[in-house]
Amino acid sequence: EIVMTQTPLSLSVTPGQPATISCKSSQSLLHSDGKTYLNWFLQKPGQPPQLLIYELSNRFSGVPDRFSGSGSGTDFTLEISRVEAEDVGVYYCLQTIQLPRTFGQGTKVEI
Amino acid sequence: VQLVESGGGLVQPGGSLRLTCTASGVIFSNYWMSWVRQAPGKGLEWVAHIKQDGSEKYYVDSVKGRFTISRDNAKNSLYLQLNSLRVEDTAVYYCARTSAFDIWGQGTTVTVSS
Repeated sequence: EIVMTQTPLSLSVTPGQPATISCKSSQSLLHSDGKTYLNWFLQKPGQPPQLLIYELSNRFSGVPDRFSGSGSGTDFTLEISRVEAEDVGVYYCLQTIQLPRTFGQGTKVEI
Repeated sequence: VQLVESGGGLVQPGGSLRLTCTASGVIFSNYWMSWVRQAPGKGLEWVAHIKQDGSEKYYVDSVKGRFTISRDNAKNSLYLQLNSLRVEDTAVYYCARTSAFDIWGQGTTVTVSS
């Protein structure tokens, strides 16, 4: 099983300032097809998770461009260029290259 | 595009439940589908997924032999049969469209308690 480790587990941010969340996998998420199977989600309080980034760096439809994903192999980063109040919640990374699918522990972001 | 879960409730340890996820506004039969759960105050755990035609099914080890995923494409519905339930199965159960997990339902709550 691939273990996903997120840091930090909690993050206090100031509106308008950048924020960075790290996710590390115990095995490479780079597939032979050239894609990296790493997704990012935001779960707002009382809501289901919502997809932000898929396959390492592709923003899902409707996701603001202040969100970006990067990294390679086993080390990944979600960056929020300028945090807004609506960005509070818990952020999760997920690997979809191998079964069982595994999530990171989550990073709680608060203003 | 919408996914709606139902079937959750309170059940005693050792009991059974059947969860249903109904899809609308999407060609349900084109996609793998998953169940993901979230215990109270905890993170997300992938539980199972099923291929478009139901021919392939995969489970997390903790539910193998107890849970069964299935689907009925004619009814745009996904199911999760939960047997031999344990206290640690208490969670909100979400269905999600796979492989990107781009669409999620609102979840249905399963509580296992005596």
